[in-house]
Amino acid sequence: GQNIDQPTEMTATEGAIVQINCTYQTSGFNGLFWYQQHAGEAPTFLSYNVLDGLEEKGRFSSFLSRSKGYSYLLLKELQMKDSASYLCAVRNTGGFKTIFGAGTRLFVKA
Amino acid sequence: SQTIHQWPATLVQPVGSPLSLECTVEGTSNPNLYWYRQAAGRGLQLLFYSVGIGQISSEVPQNLSASRPQDRQFILSSKKLLLSDSGFYLCAYSKPGLATPTNEQFFGPGTRLTVL
Repeated sequence: GQNIDQPTEMTATEGAIVQINCTYQTSGFNGLFWYQQHAGEAPTFLSYNVLDGLEEKGRFSSFLSRSKGYSYLLLKELQMKDSASYLCAVRNTGGFKTIFGAGTRLFVKA
Repeated sequence: SQTIHQWPATLVQPVGSPLSLECTVEGTSNPNLYWYRQAAGRGLQLLFYSVGIGQISSEVPQNLSASRPQDRQFILSSKKLLLSDSGFYLCAYSKPGLATPTNEQFFGPGTRLTVL
């Protein structure tokens, strides 16, 4: 079967750092994505990992361990506008199908 | 530049009525196209994807169907809506093949469907 697990909700303080974890069990693997989705809006692409290690992009970083089926998204210097859902998604070996986790709702408080 | 359109933005339909949601993509040829449904507070459920005209893969057996009559047009349909069909429907595309290393998906603005 295919399964992607993320925490349902997290709360953090403005200016702090937060790490959102994702574990996956899929029948194939051809990359892991993180998307951001504000309430009522469409998801937007944040990051992509296909090899083990850390990818950094400004205030956002994403880490992947393929052997452990594990990824995390790290958000630094949190801002109020970072309050959103963060979706972890895994693309299958064929490259066409992407399975999404249920998402983690992040609340940033002042 | 590439853009993706979806309509309508919101829709309220009675149980048992038909449904047709349309999605079009501009600026890229032979895109991979996707329909997702998102229930309130939930993740995205992949419904259908298409890698070319007339090629539809169904992920979840249900009363919905999809068609791709033109290269950049993707339509989601139902003959008779159920209450459980309510949700936020998102169309997405990615570039064909391995056009970019990431080949991430780009989402349309979504259609919020309420079945009463």
